Amino acid sequence: EDQVTQSPEALRLQEGESSSLNCSYTVSGLRGLFWYRQDPGKGPEFLFTLYSAGEEKEKERLKATLTKKESFLHITAPKPEDSATYLCAVQEGYNFNKFYFGSGTKLNVKP
Amino acid sequence: ETGVTQSPTHLIKTRGQQVTLRCSSQSGHNTVSWYQQALGQGPQFIFQYYREEENGRGNFPPRFSGLQFPNYSSELNVNALELDDSALYLCASSFPYSAEAFFGQGTRLTVV
Repeated sequence: EDQVTQSPEALRLQEGESSSLNCSYTVSGLRGLFWYRQDPGKGPEFLFTLYSAGEEKEKERLKATLTKKESFLHITAPKPEDSATYLCAVQEGYNFNKFYFGSGTKLNVKP
Repeated sequence: ETGVTQSPTHLIKTRGQQVTLRCSSQSGHNTVSWYQQALGQGPQFIFQYYREEENGRGNFPPRFSGLQFPNYSSELNVNALELDDSALYLCASSFPYSAEAFFGQGTRLTVV
């Protein structure tokens, strides 16, 4: 079965202090790796999809990268509004919407 | 705003009871999946429906069942509720052959 492990579990940053979140995965055949943001009491919000090693995607202060074993979500000069739980998921086969999620990294950005 | 709406937002049930949770997706979303998210954990896949038929199931017992309707709405039914069923239940839907899934805001189920 596909496995997804995220680290750290929690991360506290000062505003403007850049850092990276890690997602390592073991899959029989990666179809896609997804990053979601989840605010308390809400459903996950789609951020990025990555399909092949070496691929990178950016959105505002976030940049996601993918290798054969792991993905990183880099946060550059974060702001308090970036505080949320960031979830990583891998897609199982070609069953769209069938994801294996990690437990998430809870990010807290202090002003 | 994802266009995916779940109801109710919160629900309290007694152990042994049955519950039905509902999800309304955007027009054209013919794939819907349901997830269970325990506190502090990532969502766990329950099952997926494609064109009104179950198309994949996670490690959940048969007392978890679902339906998908032609109007892009769906239901998750849970029988014989147990205390461990307390969680946030999420539905996710997408357009055909699209990797981007849209999640609803979830239903918080508490079993007492």
